[in-house]
Amino acid sequence: NAGVTQTPKFRILKIGQSMTLQCTQDMNHNYMYWYRQDPGMGLKLIYYSVGAGITDKGEVPNGYNVSRSTTEDFPLRLELAAPSQTSVYFCASSYDGGLLSGEQYFGPGTRLTVT
Amino acid sequence: DQQVKQNSPSLSVQEGRISILNCDYTNSMFDYFLWYKKYPAEGPTFLISISSIKDKNEDGRFTVFLNKSAKHLSLHIVPSQPGDSAVYFCAARYSGGSEKLVFGKGTKLTVNP
Repeated sequence: NAGVTQTPKFRILKIGQSMTLQCTQDMNHNYMYWYRQDPGMGLKLIYYSVGAGITDKGEVPNGYNVSRSTTEDFPLRLELAAPSQTSVYFCASSYDGGLLSGEQYFGPGTRLTVT
Repeated sequence: DQQVKQNSPSLSVQEGRISILNCDYTNSMFDYFLWYKKYPAEGPTFLISISSIKDKNEDGRFTVFLNKSAKHLSLHIVPSQPGDSAVYFCAARYSGGSEKLVFGKGTKLTVNP
């Protein structure tokens, strides 16, 4: 049981390039989330999904896209990378949306630098 | 506008003593409050939570207290251990099933041997 895995661990992009951050969970969780953490700041929700085929915007969705074709995978797409997207990206999942406590399980993160 | 605030960026305590981490919130629609612990180069891990209808929840060395009238919660770690050194995030969940968490900026705890 690997939990939540993210690839790549690190990436450097040039301005205007595109990339996809991969996220996979093997816990059969319905809910999945993408957060970004800027230096000295808390985590901010980018997008989330309550099940395959269903996604919704979080607090900071601009510049990103997501899809959820399977329960296990929730990739995050950056279409035209900008320096403001330099951050650490965390993927998370929860079984029932945290109906009991809100507990989410996080991956190890992807550190992205856009120059 | 920050809805969840952790006003102390850092805290240093001696091993064996109590660590108290504080968190304030502004939105009365939060129904659950959570604490996450984060080590460098790792993702946050869930530590403990409390429902808005309770005022205390305890799990081993960790206790969370909630004061709804003051919109304040605190995490107590007793006794503190060097392995507790990490960044602690306070988070709050909106009621009504939106499943979104709002995080504070975190407090870096250092426990000195």
